[in-house]
Amino acid sequence: DVKVTQSSRYLVKRTGEKVFLECVQDMDHENMFWYRQDPGLGLRLIYFSYDVKMKEKGDIPEGYSVSREKKERFSLILESASTNQTSMYLCASGTSLPQETQYFGPGTRLLVL
Amino acid sequence: ELKVEQNPLFLSMQEGKNYTIYCNYSTTSDRLYWYRQDPGKSLESLFVLLSNGAVKQEGRLMASLDTKARLSTLHITAAVHDLSATYFCAVAEVGNYKLTFGKGTLLTVNP
Repeated sequence: DVKVTQSSRYLVKRTGEKVFLECVQDMDHENMFWYRQDPGLGLRLIYFSYDVKMKEKGDIPEGYSVSREKKERFSLILESASTNQTSMYLCASGTSLPQETQYFGPGTRLLVL
Repeated sequence: ELKVEQNPLFLSMQEGKNYTIYCNYSTTSDRLYWYRQDPGKSLESLFVLLSNGAVKQEGRLMASLDTKARLSTLHITAAVHDLSATYFCAVAEVGNYKLTFGKGTLLTVNP
């Protein structure tokens, strides 16, 4: 079974803090993704990575950065957390095209005070 | 810009009944996905549809794809309470890893 794990299920941070969200996958997938999920807005892609040290912006990259130093690990960084970044963050990893399927982690619910 | 519209957004149905969730998308795609999400949980992959006319079935759920109409349907047959969840469709543009998700359909199956 594919396993995607995220470092925390719940996180509370203060405005202005630097926040690291970690994601690890155990299936040797090339592709990894970070989404945020908000009520009424669905899932929106923040960043994705198709190889080590490679990244591409998604739909809402502002206020976020990512790091992928090893194939199995993809980190999302909130440089200076703000209250509008309170959300559920979902990491996914995926197989290659053409039958690419994304497998999701359990999610991190982040509250920024 | 790819847009994905699901309807209905909320669906309350009785056990034993049939219903269909619709997913429309705005540009050419080569992959369409259906996911299920239980409350407080992550997304579980249900189906991947890759070509026009594709049909996949798992238990009481059947998904189909019409690429000419840019429409996918998720049909529920003889609903049971265990199917209560939020269902998302997600669409990828041709050759692109990026998925665009619909807003989800919250399905509640009542006894």
